Amino acid sequence: GQNIDQPTEMTATEGAIVQINCTYQTSGFNGLFWYQQHAGEAPTFLSYNVLDGLEEKGRFSSFLSRSKGYSYLLLKELQMKDSASYLCAVRAYSGAGSYQLTFGKGTKLSVIP
Amino acid sequence: ETGVTQTPRHLVMGMTNKKSLKCEQHLGHNAMYWYKQSAKKPLELMFVYNFKEQTENNSVPSRFSPECPNSSHLFLHLHTLQPEDSALYLCASSQEKTSGVRSEQFFGPGTRLTVL
Repeated sequence: GQNIDQPTEMTATEGAIVQINCTYQTSGFNGLFWYQQHAGEAPTFLSYNVLDGLEEKGRFSSFLSRSKGYSYLLLKELQMKDSASYLCAVRAYSGAGSYQLTFGKGTKLSVIP
Repeated sequence: ETGVTQTPRHLVMGMTNKKSLKCEQHLGHNAMYWYKQSAKKPLELMFVYNFKEQTENNSVPSRFSPECPNSSHLFLHLHTLQPEDSALYLCASSQEKTSGVRSEQFFGPGTRLTVL
């Protein structure tokens, strides 16, 4: 099975930078996803990492270290609309040619003025 | 209509009722999923359909019955549910490559289900 751990809640100030960490334990690792989910809405895809290093996409960046089983999502120049839950999800090989995506519990980020 | 749509958005049912949730994807994807999202729990994968065939069933009780008539539509039939089944039910789709590796999933808005 897989074990995915991320903080339950975080608070940050508008305009600041926040880093949301995710640690995982899995076999057959095949990629890590970050999703954003606003309250009452569907999760939306933010980023995907399969190789070590940093992937930058505008104000959002995601980092992966496969040897450490560690990823983080970095949000810069925080805006009020960034208040949401951020879900870390790990894809792993589950046998017989199939892959499974497992989600963490999510980190609820509150951005305050 | 674009993306992934789900109906109804909200559903209240008694434990003896039978109802169905509907999902439709307009993205040309070949894989569709049902997830359950309960408060303070991670998203739980329930069923996966690739090319209209069910490939995964993660120990879901038989009171939940999926149906995938074609690659664009997915149903979840519900009967004799329990109050603990109250949750947000999310549908998602993705394009599965021939290597078996799936791309990112696109989610519908979900159906908020309350079982009385």
